[in-house]
Amino acid sequence: QVQLQESGPGLVKPSETLSLACTVSAVSLRSYYWSWIRQTPGKGLEWVGYINYSGGTNYNPSLKSRVTISVDTSKNQFSLRLNSVTAADTAVYYCARGPEVSAPWGWFDPWGQGTLVTVSP
Amino acid sequence: DIQMTQSPSSLSASVGDRVTITCRASQNIGTYLNWYQHKPGKGPKFLIYAASSLQSGVPSRFSGSGSGTDFTLTISSQQPEDYATYYCQQSYSTPYTFGQGTKLEIK
Repeated sequence: QVQLQESGPGLVKPSETLSLACTVSAVSLRSYYWSWIRQTPGKGLEWVGYINYSGGTNYNPSLKSRVTISVDTSKNQFSLRLNSVTAADTAVYYCARGPEVSAPWGWFDPWGQGTLVTVSP
Repeated sequence: DIQMTQSPSSLSASVGDRVTITCRASQNIGTYLNWYQHKPGKGPKFLIYAASSLQSGVPSRFSGSGSGTDFTLTISSQQPEDYATYYCQQSYSTPYTFGQGTKLEIK
């Protein structure tokens, strides 16, 4: 059964960099894109971006200038870095599988349980 | 970006009720529309893809319909485990976008 688990600090100071990792179990990173999605009180669910096995990325233009998603195939893991954070970046961050590389019009399944990141001094 | 608008934002229903949630896209997205169920403390659960196709393992009381800009999610007979927040998501183009959610509560 495919499982995803987010990890990283739960508290980040304003203007610093948020860093999270997602460890994927029971499946190779091949054949899929791997996404980060966040949920904020103000904007609801927001797709942050995705990466494929080869490192190809696609970011939400609203965050593109501050986001980097990377992949570590040796650890079966992908990561999110969001720099210059503000209180508006306080959110529950989810990692998710999807969409399929061969079907980029697809869906996200499964999702990790999410991790709350608070931006505060 | 394609805007997704759900209605209602919250809904009270009793066990056994038929429940319908609506999702509207700001432009034609064909049938590139997915539905998720979200319970507190968990990641969203994928229910329906391509507007009307049920994901494997999802109970048959869930169904989806629509195309173009107007879509619906229907629960034919609400069960206790169905109380959750439901989201639609368009996969027609990036950035992928979600509706604001419909919270299904106990009546």
